[in-house]
Amino acid sequence: GQQLNQSPQSMFIQEGEDVSMNCTSSSIFNTWLWYKQDPGEGPVLLIALYKAGELTSNGRLTAQFGITRKDSFLNISASIPSDVGIYFCAGQGRTYKYIFGTGTRLKVLA
Amino acid sequence: EAGVVQSPRYKIIEKKQPVAFWCNPISGHNTLYWYLQNLGQGPELLIRYENEEAVDDSQLPKDRFSAERLKGVDSTLKIQPAELGDSAVYLCASSLGFGTRVDEQFFGPGTRLTVL
Repeated sequence: GQQLNQSPQSMFIQEGEDVSMNCTSSSIFNTWLWYKQDPGEGPVLLIALYKAGELTSNGRLTAQFGITRKDSFLNISASIPSDVGIYFCAGQGRTYKYIFGTGTRLKVLA
Repeated sequence: EAGVVQSPRYKIIEKKQPVAFWCNPISGHNTLYWYLQNLGQGPELLIRYENEEAVDDSQLPKDRFSAERLKGVDSTLKIQPAELGDSAVYLCASSLGFGTRVDEQFFGPGTRLTVL
């Protein structure tokens, strides 16, 4: 099925570093969601975005709804070991359906 | 408030056997989704319910998969007979509903199915 392109696919970073990842689509979306998934668990909603250009924070996480409405970005500041996991974006257009990204695998080195 | 509940968490069966997964959505959420997640990939939609009506089952392999949502609350997803390629995580999610201001989907922990 269709999946959005997330970049990077995986990354190793040192504890305390900032992390940036993005998600791109060929279609315009009206809503972007960012999830984190730990091994053996379901995705947990981190941030929801509803308007082009919107910038929303949740603790050390900040996400932005791209002004073209075809992309979104997630930043994590001052990473800690528990940030390890897979981060998924999901976009919703004019229909109900959310299309998920391929995931960014984050590994934090203490 | 309780989140989305799924059971069982893990299931191991032999091929050609039937299997069923159960989901209880967040209270008040009219929309329920079943997703399939293969290893290393994002979730892919199988079926969506609005209350008790399956409004999109276009991605559901109907020759072996079936689902129901009696009374518009709990839902069951069944596979009969299971094949080796069905090994995956089956995720249930719920939301208030498309068209509401906040149509955020919340996921359950998933059922990890292994078909031997």
